[in-house]
Amino acid sequence: NAGVTQTPKFQVLKTGQSMTLQCAQDMNHNSMYWYRQDPGMGLRLIYYSASEGTTDKGEVPNGYNVSRLNKREFSLRLESAAPSQTSVYFCASTYSRQRSNQPQHFGDGTRLSIL
Amino acid sequence: QQQVKQSPQSLIVQKGGISIINCAYENTAFDYFPWYQQFPGKGPALLIAIRPDVSEKKEGRFTISFNKSAKQFSLHIMDSQPGDSATYFCAAGSSNTGKLIFGQGTTLQVKP
Repeated sequence: NAGVTQTPKFQVLKTGQSMTLQCAQDMNHNSMYWYRQDPGMGLRLIYYSASEGTTDKGEVPNGYNVSRLNKREFSLRLESAAPSQTSVYFCASTYSRQRSNQPQHFGDGTRLSIL
Repeated sequence: QQQVKQSPQSLIVQKGGISIINCAYENTAFDYFPWYQQFPGKGPALLIAIRPDVSEKKEGRFTISFNKSAKQFSLHIMDSQPGDSATYFCAAGSSNTGKLIFGQGTTLQVKP
């Protein structure tokens, strides 16, 4: 049982390049999330998907887009990468559609550097 | 706007000591308060959580204390061990949103 799998684990981009971060979960969870983690800032929600077919903005959505491809997969796209998007990105999932009092299960992150 | 404020940013404790991390929140609609533990190179994992209808919850060496009137909650790690060295995040959420707001994180180092 792999849980939440993120790819790639590391990536270096040049300013202006685009890329898609992939996330897949095998726990039959309904809700999925994308966070970014920066020193001294904790985890900040970028986008989330309460269920297949729905997405919504979090605290810091600017510069990102998401796609809930199916129940298992939730991708995060940077259309034109900026140095301010250098961060560690985490995907998480949880069973409940609209309740926060369920454990969120995290992947091991994608470390993204933008030069 | 930081709705959950966590302190201290870093903490060094001797083995066997008590580690205490504090969080304060602003939104009175929050009704779920989890703590997550993160080891280097890994994603956060749920450690313990509390709801505001109780003032304390204990699981092994880990205890959450909750003060609803002060809008504060804290994590106490008793008999701290070097294996507890990690980053700890508090969080808060309201039941009907499906979202959590995380604190800034506390890096704990337990010295042998």
